[in-house]
Amino acid sequence: EVVLTQSPATLSLSPGGRATLSCRASQSVSSQLAWYQQKPGQAPRLLIYGASNRATGIPARFSGSGSGTDFTLTINSLEPEDFAVYYCQQRTAWPTFGQGTKVEIK
Amino acid sequence: EVQLVESGGGPVKPGGSLRLSCAASGFIFSTYPLNWLRQAPGKGLEWVSAISNTGSNIYYADSVKGRFAISRDNAKNSLYLQMNSLRAEDTALYYCARWAEDKTAFDIWGQGTMVTVSS
Repeated sequence: EVVLTQSPATLSLSPGGRATLSCRASQSVSSQLAWYQQKPGQAPRLLIYGASNRATGIPARFSGSGSGTDFTLTINSLEPEDFAVYYCQQRTAWPTFGQGTKVEIK
Repeated sequence: EVQLVESGGGPVKPGGSLRLSCAASGFIFSTYPLNWLRQAPGKGLEWVSAISNTGSNIYYADSVKGRFAISRDNAKNSLYLQMNSLRAEDTALYYCARWAEDKTAFDIWGQGTMVTVSS
């Protein structure tokens, strides 16, 4: 099983700031890495797929990078609606998720 | 509008059974693999089961293998999850989600249905 480890667990930032979230895989997942955003009481929403491709309707302030075992989600100029929990996900044998990073208002 | 709507959750005693449903609309249901995932209260996301677009290929997480059964009815645009021998650790919000193979990601999610296993 591929284990995804996200860091940090919590990121405290101010609106307008930049968030840098990390996801590390226990073995290479090539570029098959996705990122999701989940707000309280809502289902997850796909943000990034293929490590760096924005899903439909996702603002350009969200960007993803990386390949192999190390991946990054960057959110530039944080908007109030961006404060949420973010998960990374891979699918080699079967899908697994990281434990999540909470981006909270400082 | 592309939509998935789950139903069938509720309270159940340990050892009991429950059948979840997921109604799809807004896309060609028979062309997409579908999945069930779950999220225990205050916890992260866990993949539970997947079924191919025709229903011929089925996969389960080890944690539910032998107890849960996924199925679909393409004529009714519906996905199901039969859950037997339920345990307290199965308590979670259960989501159905569409799998986009070109993205290797879950691109559409329902709002979830809560299953609570408690005596």
